[in-house]
Amino acid sequence: DGGITQSPKYLFRKEGQNVTLSCEQNLNHDAMYWYRQDPGQGLRLIYYSQIVNDFQKGDIAEGYSVSREKKESFPLTVTSAQKNPTAFYLCASSPGQGARNEQFFGPGTRLTVL
Amino acid sequence: ILNVEQSPQSLHVQEGDSTNFTCSFPSSNFYALHWYRWETAKSPEALFVMTLNGDEKKKGRISATLNTKEGYSYLYIKGSQPEDSATYLCAFKGLSNFGNEKLTFGTGTRLTIIP
Repeated sequence: DGGITQSPKYLFRKEGQNVTLSCEQNLNHDAMYWYRQDPGQGLRLIYYSQIVNDFQKGDIAEGYSVSREKKESFPLTVTSAQKNPTAFYLCASSPGQGARNEQFFGPGTRLTVL
Repeated sequence: ILNVEQSPQSLHVQEGDSTNFTCSFPSSNFYALHWYRWETAKSPEALFVMTLNGDEKKKGRISATLNTKEGYSYLYIKGSQPEDSATYLCAFKGLSNFGNEKLTFGTGTRLTIIP
């Protein structure tokens, strides 16, 4: 089945530890995105990548890092510099350039920092 | 940061009734407006992608309209059913120097259908 997978579904980490969230897609999409959702807020863009080996900061990139070494993979690292990392994280992909390209979402990872 | 607003924040509707809600967005540098449905414990799924002023899209009992000059879109659900219960997100895509792949999401309208 084509789609986007995120793992794990739930993640617990101690404060001060870096943690990497996985996102893989087999849709052959060029563009990939990371969003964060907090209660009462919309999805906020952390980072996005339109092509392999290239990525741009979104609206709330501080304390996060990404890599895009392969087309199908876009891991997100939540660093100890992120002041409030507990949140629900969604990964998405889209075919690429074009107004009509909808985004396809993974199931999300809920990160809790203790 | 662009301002995309949705209203109401939540809505309870009796089964069989029709309903609608609003997404407002910047009227300048418009490129596209997306609607997504996000059911509990599932991933958001695209309902509509709208690009032209005056666009009307329909999928079954759900339809949407677009007014880019005044910066709003309406989503309508006719004859609500329990399976329509979900959060409905709109997302604005504007033109930018990096191409046009960034979406700015509203906070969503949480719809609950009462059997």
